[in-house]
Amino acid sequence: GEDVEQSLFLSVREGDSSVINCTYTDSSSTYLYWYKQEPGAGLQLLTYIFSNMDMKQDQRLTVLLNKKDKHLSLRIADTQTGDSAIYFCAERLGYSTLTFGKGTMLLVSP
Amino acid sequence: EAQVTQNPRYLITVTGKKLTVTCSQNMNHEYMSWYRQDPGLGLRQIYYSMNVEVTDKGDVPEGYKVSRKEKRNFPLILESPSPNQTSLYFCASSSGTGAGDGYTFGSGTRLTVV
Repeated sequence: GEDVEQSLFLSVREGDSSVINCTYTDSSSTYLYWYKQEPGAGLQLLTYIFSNMDMKQDQRLTVLLNKKDKHLSLRIADTQTGDSAIYFCAERLGYSTLTFGKGTMLLVSP
Repeated sequence: EAQVTQNPRYLITVTGKKLTVTCSQNMNHEYMSWYRQDPGLGLRQIYYSMNVEVTDKGDVPEGYKVSRKEKRNFPLILESPSPNQTSLYFCASSSGTGAGDGYTFGSGTRLTVV
């Protein structure tokens, strides 16, 4: 079946850039998403990219998509302590089903 | 405010005692879904519904039931809860159309079955 994989943990210093990577297996994905989950909260949609795009920028967030390698990345510029959270990559297949990765915990130290 | 509301936020129950977790959305979304989140396993889909009276199994449906009698509500029913259903549960909804239509998630229900 479909599988979305992410590295489990990333630690950066405040002010640095963070890059969270994700690979997916289903080439028929229509959209790919990044969600953020803060402690004790639900998932918040951060950004998405259509599968025929290579890049999308939204303020401090840059999403890169390499469809050939089925690789998605999220770059957070000027990372702040408030960016500490778990980040989930997800692919959309079919009507609306989203398949999520296991999440990457980002820890930002002062 | 557009939102998905789950209740309760926290629940401790005993094995075998039927329970229902409610989910309601105010965005007129057609698509609703339940996920469970467990450490090291990420989010796994339990059931989803594409519209009223249309439901289907996700990846981990065993031990759960759902119903979709009205568009806004999508309750999750555990007829006979067991300790392996201790988890964090999320309800989500989506219009299912349009560019980049992701899910709107509820705040979660932390269930403990003892």
